Amino acid sequence: DVQLQESGPGLVKPSQSLSLTCTVTGYSITSDYAWNWIRQFPGNKLEWMGYISYSGSTSYNPSLKSRISITRDTSKNQFFLQLNSVTTEDTATYYCARVRQGYWYFDVWGAGTTVTVSS
Amino acid sequence: DVVVTQTPLSLPVSFGDQVSISCRSSQSLANSYGNTYLSWYLHKPGQSPQLLIYGISNRFSGVPDRFSGSGSGTDFTLKISTIKPEDLGMYYCLQGTHQPFTFGSGTKLEIK
Repeated sequence: DVQLQESGPGLVKPSQSLSLTCTVTGYSITSDYAWNWIRQFPGNKLEWMGYISYSGSTSYNPSLKSRISITRDTSKNQFFLQLNSVTTEDTATYYCARVRQGYWYFDVWGAGTTVTVSS
Repeated sequence: DVVVTQTPLSLPVSFGDQVSISCRSSQSLANSYGNTYLSWYLHKPGQSPQLLIYGISNRFSGVPDRFSGSGSGTDFTLKISTIKPEDLGMYYCLQGTHQPFTFGSGTKLEIK
């Protein structure tokens, strides 16, 4: 059974960087699929942030411009989100999720982790 | 970005009802190969979103057949027949044809 679990600080100060980890169990992130970060803002709007594919290539939402980076550690079967220069508008619940490339649906999601940006 | 407009925002129901949720996109979701990447999700409080339908009308593994999807181009519909208590929550559509992927604003299915 494939499972994804997010982890990281629940509170980040404005202008700092937000760093989250998604640990994947039951499936190797280098076998197939693309591994995504999605966030849900207060008020329930969902935003796709970006992914890292099984081959290591990345794709990002242009709205996040140069603030976002998604990387991975294949030895630990983890992938990571870094979002720089955060503001209060980055307060959200962050989910990691798997997408099947070529079919483009998210079939497995983590439980989500809430990040608050506040001084 | 492709804008996905989902209606209604709220849908009060009684158990046993049949309902429809609509998603309309600002441009066609059919790609040059004729594939359309429109999927539907249910998000229950305290849980992660769960995939219901992909590729417009394909039910994901384990999804009851009271859920069905239809549509083409820019207009898509999720139908739920014989609503049960476990169907309550927020429903979202997602377009995966054009990057960045974009979600509908959500429909809250709640008891009348």
